[in-house]
This record gives sequence, C-alpha cells and structure tokens, in this order.
Amino acid sequence: DADVTQTPRNRITKTGKRIMLECSQTKGHDRMYWYRQDPGLGLRLIYYSFDVKDINKGEISDGYSVSRQAQAKFSLSLESAIPNQTALYFCATSDRTGGHTANYGYTFGSGTRLTVV
Amino acid sequence: GQNIDQPTEMTATEGAIVQINCTYQTSGFNGLFWYQQHAGEAPTFLSYNVLDGLEEKGRFSSFLSRSKGYSYLLLKELQMKDSASYLCAVSVRGGNKLTFGTGTQLKVEL
Repeated sequence: DADVTQTPRNRITKTGKRIMLECSQTKGHDRMYWYRQDPGLGLRLIYYSFDVKDINKGEISDGYSVSRQAQAKFSLSLESAIPNQTALYFCATSDRTGGHTANYGYTFGSGTRLTVV
Repeated sequence: GQNIDQPTEMTATEGAIVQINCTYQTSGFNGLFWYQQHAGEAPTFLSYNVLDGLEEKGRFSSFLSRSKGYSYLLLKELQMKDSASYLCAVSVRGGNKLTFGTGTQLKVEL
C-alpha cells in the first residue's frame, strides 16, 4: 500500500456541487498539506495542519475547507465547486522531527484530478 | 513572501549533461529541495541542500549558494526517462511548509 493515499484519483463534478477529497497516510507524520497544481503556476498551498488540533490557511484557501479527523487523515472540501477549481490536487506529509535534514521534505500522494464542469 | 524562479523549459540530448538553475528570494531560509515530477504523477524527492556546496547522489547533483540565493540541479548521463518536470522548493524557518517554483520541463532527445 502507498504511504500517502488519495481518493478519488479522478473526479468530474458539476458547478455548485459539494465535493470532498480524502487523504490518509501510514507514515506516522504529524504534518499534512493540501496543494493544487495548475499548468504554468506550479504547486500552490491551500491548507496545512501541523497536528490534529492545528489548521492553517495557505496562499489560496478561498473556496476550500479542510478537516483533520485524525493524525492520519486530512480531507479537503469544495463547498460549492466552480470551474476554476479544475486542477490536480496533491496531499503531502512531512515529519516535524526532521530538523535540518532531508526528512523535512514531503511525501506526496498520487494526486486527485478534479474537473468541474 | 518568497519568490522562486526557474526556467520554464529545457531540451537536452541523451547521454549529455544538463544544469537546471533556480534562484530564490526569501527571509529565514531553511533549506532547498529538488523534486522530479513525471506528467500526471506525484513529485518525488531528489535532493536537499541547507549548507553551501555540492551534494552528489549518483547521476544527480545539487548545488547551493545561500549568499547568492541560487541553486542548480545537475543531471549527468541523461536518459530518456529523465524527461520530466523538475521542481525547486524552498523551506523557511518557523515551519516546514515548502514554497515551490513553477518547475522546469526537461525534454531529453535522441
């Protein structure tokens, strides 16, 4: 099984619908992140969580919400989907104990390709 | 805020060497990462630099100059499978959220 699992892998939804993207991890990492990726814009941070009781907005949080149900689970919701939220969404985790090492880096899920029509 | 710049596209020949540059402007620099991403797939970790100098890992090397806000990724003995996007990402003190550049799309040709 993958260390970081995202579901669904692909989703097409209609404008105005509510949709939830789910992420679960077996890394035992405290820190979890949601990014979206658009051509020419790179990966942009939507929300992040450093532990179960901690939720923080990233640079593009408008139109999104998150829930950290457990250390291993971090869900992203689009309350009312719009076409410009069509993108590739990635969940990532990292280890807070990594210090000045490569362990600060992320482990990514396989991504969710979301299309809003 | 942070500003990270890298070229949009590069083309190189199989067997050759290519250098992908990344410049950044940030306060509280705490490390620079390089990731490889094949189309439609997740980014995968390549290298990490926090001190000045060169880090070598097989065919891949990464260099950092903190005073210049500059890094490069060096790929040797290029293979067709190296065709991918290469992402430069910076970490700042106070939290390990990464800020990513827009990526450099590398095409390896015969």
